[in-house]
Amino acid sequence: DTGVSQDPRHKITKRGQNVTFRCDPISEHNRLYWYRQTLGQGPEFLTYFQNEAQLEKSRLLSDRFSAERPKGSFSTLEIQRTEQGDSAMYLCASTPVTAPYGYTFGSGTRLTVV
Amino acid sequence: KNEVEQSPQNLTAQEGEFITINCSYSVGISALHWLQQHPGGGIVSLFMLSSGKKKHGRLIATINIQEKHSSLHITASHPRDSAVYICALIQGAQKLVFGQGTRLTINP
Repeated sequence: DTGVSQDPRHKITKRGQNVTFRCDPISEHNRLYWYRQTLGQGPEFLTYFQNEAQLEKSRLLSDRFSAERPKGSFSTLEIQRTEQGDSAMYLCASTPVTAPYGYTFGSGTRLTVV
Repeated sequence: KNEVEQSPQNLTAQEGEFITINCSYSVGISALHWLQQHPGGGIVSLFMLSSGKKKHGRLIATINIQEKHSSLHITASHPRDSAVYICALIQGAQKLVFGQGTRLTINP
């Protein structure tokens, strides 16, 4: 297991297009988190899953954003009708049920909306 | 007022200097992370603290739960320590609440 993987690393898209990001957590980690980080700021919580259940969503997650974790393994984050304000680094992290404070982060997906 | 405040926001020092980065918070927490983020985005957890002090190599982290304050120290700093250091609170067993980060530059 090589840690938390995110794909793609970089995405440039035109305003109005839809984009989808993928996160593969560490296999035995049952909790998966999505965070968003804009330039010069700390990351902000978007949503998290315990197994396949989405347990919390931030107010930052407008109705253009949707996240899934259909089989309790990998997760996808989709942004519909992208706006320039969506440009950010999207970070995924996972934790095991036995050590819920033990975060492992992915390298992130940097989205640029032009 | 943010729940987590870090200081300084930017810090430039010469190689070999002792570095201190501070984190103050205003809410009850289960634990606190110190994280390192290099250009390109990847985040690495350096320490997770719920009390006292931890040491790993040249890095030392302390936390005072009563005063709601934590510090990260780097001894004998090196240019490869240049990165953004972020303090993040754990509330319950769920999401992290991040500080804005401290950008550290160590010059040779």
